[in-house]
Amino acid sequence: ETGVTQTPRHLVMGMTNKKSLKCEQHLGHNAMYWYKQSAKKPLELMFVYNFKEQTENNSVPSRFSPECPNSSHLFLHLHTLQPEDSALYLCASSQEQVNSPLHFGNGTRLTVT
Amino acid sequence: QQQVKQSPQSLIVQKGGIPIINCAYENTAFDYFPWYQQFPGKGPALLIAIRPDVSEKKEGRFTISFNKSAKQFSLHIMDSQPGDSATYFCAASSAGGTSYGKLTFGQGTILTVHP
Repeated sequence: ETGVTQTPRHLVMGMTNKKSLKCEQHLGHNAMYWYKQSAKKPLELMFVYNFKEQTENNSVPSRFSPECPNSSHLFLHLHTLQPEDSALYLCASSQEQVNSPLHFGNGTRLTVT
Repeated sequence: QQQVKQSPQSLIVQKGGIPIINCAYENTAFDYFPWYQQFPGKGPALLIAIRPDVSEKKEGRFTISFNKSAKQFSLHIMDSQPGDSATYFCAASSAGGTSYGKLTFGQGTILTVHP
């Protein structure tokens, strides 16, 4: 399997639930990212990990908790979300080189009820 | 200053037409300008990118025009095809720092090419 794989593809959760999004990349990249895509808004960078170390937290609320156990896997743990958190969550990876292109997964469509 | 403004929000052309999507930025530290293409149900994928030391870059039917003094860049799709129907995002970043994938994206343009 190649590329960036995200699971699940769709997730519906209540505001009191706890769930996790998973991302796996098979490209040998050293950097991984979480982006949020909402309708009619630009993609928003949430978190960046380089060599498993978090290097960027773009003022994301603490109800989103990332985890990067190794350079191939990235998780986003979710708890006590709000309906406005409903969006497409995209994982991406890249080489840790200037202007290295991002390779995105197909995303997890999250609906918070 | 970190924003990238993209227009139009949506665009409809006939097959063979030349859709043009425009982006403008304020941050003069930006030095890398990629375009991403996203089909429904898929993640964005890099289409073409340009650095500010050139005014134009062409790859197949896709061309980026760059105007450094105006801080604007645009995507042209020559001989557009129905298969080009997708959402297009412009983006920008600077080479400094350790966050190499820290792209600032535009809002996206939904392109529809009619047969």
